[in-house]
Amino acid sequence: DAGVTQSPTHLIKTRGQQVTLRCSPKSGHDTVSWYQQALGQGPQFIFQYYEEEERQRGNFPDRFSGHQFPNYSSELNVNALLLGDSALYLCASSVNRGVSADTQYFGPGTRLTVL
Amino acid sequence: EDQVTQSPEALRLQEGESSSLNCSYTVSGLRGLFWYRQDPGKGPEFLFTLYSAGEEKEKERLKATLTKKESFLHITAPKPEDSATYLCAVPNSGGGADGLTFGKGTHLIIQP
Repeated sequence: DAGVTQSPTHLIKTRGQQVTLRCSPKSGHDTVSWYQQALGQGPQFIFQYYEEEERQRGNFPDRFSGHQFPNYSSELNVNALLLGDSALYLCASSVNRGVSADTQYFGPGTRLTVL
Repeated sequence: EDQVTQSPEALRLQEGESSSLNCSYTVSGLRGLFWYRQDPGKGPEFLFTLYSAGEEKEKERLKATLTKKESFLHITAPKPEDSATYLCAVPNSGGGADGLTFGKGTHLIIQP
């Protein structure tokens, strides 16, 4: 059983450009969450997608947007890149269980460098 | 605002020297607490989920416990391969969605 997969592994962009990161969840999972992790920090929640809709959003500007497809895979888009967007971007998948929180399983991440 | 604080920030132990990592949290209506292990440049690897005070879970040399205000990750007779950053996280308040709030982690080094 393949775990959470992300592409690309590494990416180098220039300030002002736009980037799209991709994520495929574990088999049987229907919920995808995205996180940004700066060096030496814990992951910061960006947003979560369930049933192709954004269900919850962290404290990130509108430059960060996403999408979930009918097969539950997801994309993270970042517009007008800033130097401060350089980070490890993590995707996590889980199963929506309602009241109690299900375990989120993380992918290997995409390392984004903005020059 | 949900908060997760981990201590110590860094810990260096000799192989076989047992210790505990702390995770204190402030959240309205705890719906779970998660422990992860993260190696440099990789995604977090799931270790444990705890749902209620008094709950304990074990895996090899690791044991996680939960109280109403904090969680501990106990490491017994650690080996060098246990060196990693250990993260704890709680689901955000607000019900429904499960975005996680993470602590900054404890960077653990086990010396041979």
